[in-house]
Parts: sequence; structure tokens; C-alpha cells
Amino acid sequence: DIVMTQSPDSLAVSLGERATINCKSSQSVLYNSNNKNYLAWYQQKPGQPPKLLIYWASTRESGVPDRFSGSGSGTDFTLTISSLQAEDGADYYCQQYYRTPHTFGQGTKLEIK
Amino acid sequence: QVQLVESGGGLVKPGGSLRLSCAASGFTFSDYYMSWIRQAPGKGLEWVSNINAGGSPIEYAGSVKGRFTISRDNAKNSLYLQMNSLRAEDTAVYYCARDRIFGGLDHWGQGTLVTVSS
Repeated sequence: DIVMTQSPDSLAVSLGERATINCKSSQSVLYNSNNKNYLAWYQQKPGQPPKLLIYWASTRESGVPDRFSGSGSGTDFTLTISSLQAEDGADYYCQQYYRTPHTFGQGTKLEIK
Repeated sequence: QVQLVESGGGLVKPGGSLRLSCAASGFTFSDYYMSWIRQAPGKGLEWVSNINAGGSPIEYAGSVKGRFTISRDNAKNSLYLQMNSLRAEDTAVYYCARDRIFGGLDHWGQGTLVTVSS
């Protein structure tokens, strides 16, 4: 199985500042034939199901604010939230869909200071 | 709008069985892969299984292979998860999700809680 490791496990960032969450896969999730990274990011607020933010490592899902961006390739990925808003406090997960099982990272808890 | 509604959760004894259902609406169900994902209390997300739009192929996480069976009825716009030989570690909220397979899980239900305890 592909192991997804996120860092940090938790972070606290002030309103208006930038938050960065990292995700590392145990093997590359870049499919060479189409040059796409099979990596998604999700946001989950307490008591709610996860919400898809980013797919193909950097493509923002429709309706997701542009302060959310994804980057990286191969085995190392980053979710960046620029100019944090109060509603961004949540758990964030990366997921690879390159190979089944489509494993998730352990999650990163983002607290707004 | 896309809606996914899970049902069938509850309390079951270790070794018991349970069948979860997911009723889909607001999209052409037979066009999409579907997935089950679970989340133990206070823990992270665990991918459980997915199923092709037509019913095959099917994939499972190692932790449930041989015990859980995913299926779908495209005529009824429904997804199922038959869970046998349940263990305490299967206790979780179970979510169904629409799977774009090459674009992430774009719609999720609210989840149904399964508790395995004597």
C-alpha cells in the first residue's frame, strides 16, 4: 500500500496569515503517461463529512475559494491556504488515488489563532 | 443537486453482520464509481472499498477484504456494503462518496455510525 504522511499533525496560524500543510507519499503518484499527480486534498469540519478541495494535486474544485492552492509532484505535495479566514479551522487530509487502496494521510488539524 | 444518504448503521456484537445502504439522487448514478470510506471516533479517514460504475471491478482495503462486500443496484440508484465478521476495530462512521476515480471524491453523504461492541 502507498503510505501517505502529513506534516505537521497540527498547527495554529493567525487570521490573515498563511498556512502550509505537507503530504509525502511512500511512492510516486505521478502517472508518467499523462503527467498527472493522482493526489487530492480534503477539508473536514467537526460533525461534517469531508469536502473535496483540490484534485490532480493542484486543480481547485469548483466553488473552492482561490486562497486554497495545491502544489508538488511525485512524492511531495503541499496545500497552502493564503490569508486564513476564521472558517478555515478544520482537519485537512491528502489522499492518493494512483493505486488502490486509495490511502489517506493521517490528517492535519488547523487551528486559527 | 447531488445527494447521498447512508442508512443501516447501528450497534452490533463482535462477529455479527450489518448491511449499509447509500441512496443516491441528483445525478446519473450508473455513470460513476462509488466508494465507502470510514472514520473511527476521533480518528482519520480510512478508504474501505470502491466499485466501478457497472459493478466491476471492485477493490477493498486489506483490513476488510474477505469480510466486507460492496455492491450496487443501478436501477435503484443504491450502493451497499455488506459487513460480516465485524470486529471492535470496525467501529466507525461509514461514508459513501461519489468517486470521480480520476478526480477525487466529490460528494459525500453525512455518514452512518456502526458500533461493534458486546
